[in-house]
Amino acid sequence: AQSVAQPEDQVNVAEGNPLTVKCTYSVSGNPYLFWYVQYPNRGLQFLLKYITGDNLVKGSYGFEAEFNKSQTSFHLKKPSALVSDSALYFCAVRDTGNTDKLIFGTGTRLQVFP
Amino acid sequence: KAGVTQTPRYLIKTRGQQVTLSCSPISGHRSVSWYQQTPGQGLQFLFEYFSETQRNKGNFPGRFSGRQFSNSRSEMNVSTLELGDSALYLCASSTSGTSGRVSTDTQYFGPGTRLTVL
Repeated sequence: AQSVAQPEDQVNVAEGNPLTVKCTYSVSGNPYLFWYVQYPNRGLQFLLKYITGDNLVKGSYGFEAEFNKSQTSFHLKKPSALVSDSALYFCAVRDTGNTDKLIFGTGTRLQVFP
Repeated sequence: KAGVTQTPRYLIKTRGQQVTLSCSPISGHRSVSWYQQTPGQGLQFLFEYFSETQRNKGNFPGRFSGRQFSNSRSEMNVSTLELGDSALYLCASSTSGTSGRVSTDTQYFGPGTRLTVL
């Protein structure tokens, strides 16, 4: 069955340091992978997606993600964190070989300290 | 271009009542999906509509239903409300292609409707 795992409930990082939010997936077909961010009392905002092509995907607000097929991972990264990046981050996968539904991970809360 | 709008933003109901939530997609988007977000279960897919047809459905009881109108606006209805239905209900729209084809399109989310069942 398709699934998405975000192994860390919370990630803490100092402002200016690089950040990584981890995501692994399990699907039967080709995965379409997405990252979303949710600020308090707001809906989800799209950050980036991987469909095909280059394994390194660049998205909004300086975020990028690397698709690794052998490790079935799609980690979100940013070279230099900002306090304003503090939010809840969701990884999602659309299983093209199965239900085609969009399945979300449980979310990782990113806390950037000044 | 205006984003996805959802009404109402907040709603309080009592057990046994029914509720209807509304979603207006981004202009030109023909696909609308609904999700339920709770602290315990996270984000769960409810259903997806494309051109007034339900294209996909999540694992929710029949009390949860939806529809899409010819202008792509969508409503979801929950009947016989239970305490566990308290959640943030999110709507997302995308351009999405022909029914039956896998969509690569990005889903854009509305701010959600927070439903509280007492």
